[in-house]
Amino acid sequence: AQSVTQPDIHITVSEGASLELRCNYSYGATPYLFWYVQSPGQGLQLLLKYFSGDTLVQGIKGFEAEFKRSQSSFNLRKPSVHWSDAAEYFCAAVTYSNYQLIWGAGTKLIIKP
Amino acid sequence: EAGVTQFPSHSVIEKGQTVTLRCDPISGHDNLYWYRRVMGKEIKFLLHFVKESKQDESGMPNNRFLAERTGGTYSTLKVQPAELEDSGVYFCASSHRDRLTDTQYFGPGTRLTVL
Repeated sequence: AQSVTQPDIHITVSEGASLELRCNYSYGATPYLFWYVQSPGQGLQLLLKYFSGDTLVQGIKGFEAEFKRSQSSFNLRKPSVHWSDAAEYFCAAVTYSNYQLIWGAGTKLIIKP
Repeated sequence: EAGVTQFPSHSVIEKGQTVTLRCDPISGHDNLYWYRRVMGKEIKFLLHFVKESKQDESGMPNNRFLAERTGGTYSTLKVQPAELEDSGVYFCASSHRDRLTDTQYFGPGTRLTVL
């Protein structure tokens, strides 16, 4: 079955430190991939998306993600986190064989001062 | 430009009661989606409208859920009668054109608690 896995439920990072959030997908074909963020009291906001081409994708708020077909991964990175990055991050995928967005369980990012 | 809005932000009801959630998409967006996140679980797709037509309602859990989109503008999601397992956050999203490549813009969600 098609699925998206975010293995980390919570991650704690010190302010100014680098961040990597993991996302793995299980699909028959390469899906379209997305990272969304939900800040407290806010809706889900698209950070970046990958459809094809360059496997390193730049997004908003200084985030980037790298698509690795060999590892079925689409990890989200940021070189230096800010307290305002504390939020829940979701990886999602969709393919033409299944038009529905399939979501990971989310990773809550906690920032230590 | 106003974003996707949802009403109410929170709803607490008794089991067996009826609740109606409303979503106002971004003006001009033909595509409207409903998703649900049950506590501690993944966000799940419920259904997709293109204008006033249901394009895909395969994610609707059962016939206690009824979604409408009158005139292709706002949408309502009615749960009747509500059960305990319906508790969760209901998200609405909209997009302008093609559903795979266009960004889905999400509302803040409605938190539904069924007691």
